[in-house]
Amino acid sequence: RKEVEQDPGPFNVPEGATVAFNCTYSNSASQSFFWYRQDCRKEPKLLMSVYSSGNEDGRFTAQLNRASQYISLLIRDSKLSDSATYLCVGGTGFQKLVFGTGTRLLVSP
Amino acid sequence: NAGVTQTPKFRILKIGQSMTLQCAQDMNHNYMYWYRQDPGMGLKLIYYSVGAGITDKGEVPNGYNVSRSTTEDFPLRLELAAPSQTSVYFCASRPPKAEAFFGQGTRLTVV
Repeated sequence: RKEVEQDPGPFNVPEGATVAFNCTYSNSASQSFFWYRQDCRKEPKLLMSVYSSGNEDGRFTAQLNRASQYISLLIRDSKLSDSATYLCVGGTGFQKLVFGTGTRLLVSP
Repeated sequence: NAGVTQTPKFRILKIGQSMTLQCAQDMNHNYMYWYRQDPGMGLKLIYYSVGAGITDKGEVPNGYNVSRSTTEDFPLRLELAAPSQTSVYFCASRPPKAEAFFGQGTRLTVV
């Protein structure tokens, strides 16, 4: 079983839609969780960290469920510019960072 | 602000050749990582380091070697290039408990 698993998508949504991504992790010792965004042929860039209590940044909300070992990302009011691949990241302890395969999002007019 | 710098940006190698991918960071981060990303796929961890003199294998270390003699530098060595090593290679660094910062990547083709 992979350490971090995501639905690869693609998710095709119209502008203004709400879309949710889930990501599961296998190592219960994982301590650090993040969501990254990657545009085509570019390096990944941090979208947001994921905290146990859940956190929100504008249209984006991230949540962590330790009991079920998954993290989620909710995007509200999708914009064309949100089209990208979203990568979840789990860390074993505070050292190793393992990326999921990524979920591709396509927002259409 | 340089951040994480990778060189070269592009390289074409012949089968059996060797090369070193360079990675340098100026943020004094303890942790550094090498990932590879094949087309349409996610990032796979090759090697990582938690400090100078300390390295450890990731998911796909075969065919690669690393060293970490200084905090700033974390080179990745390919000894005998194979077509299966055609990929985009990303280097990243981070402080403990915080997010990782990535270099712009090295696009390697082995022919």
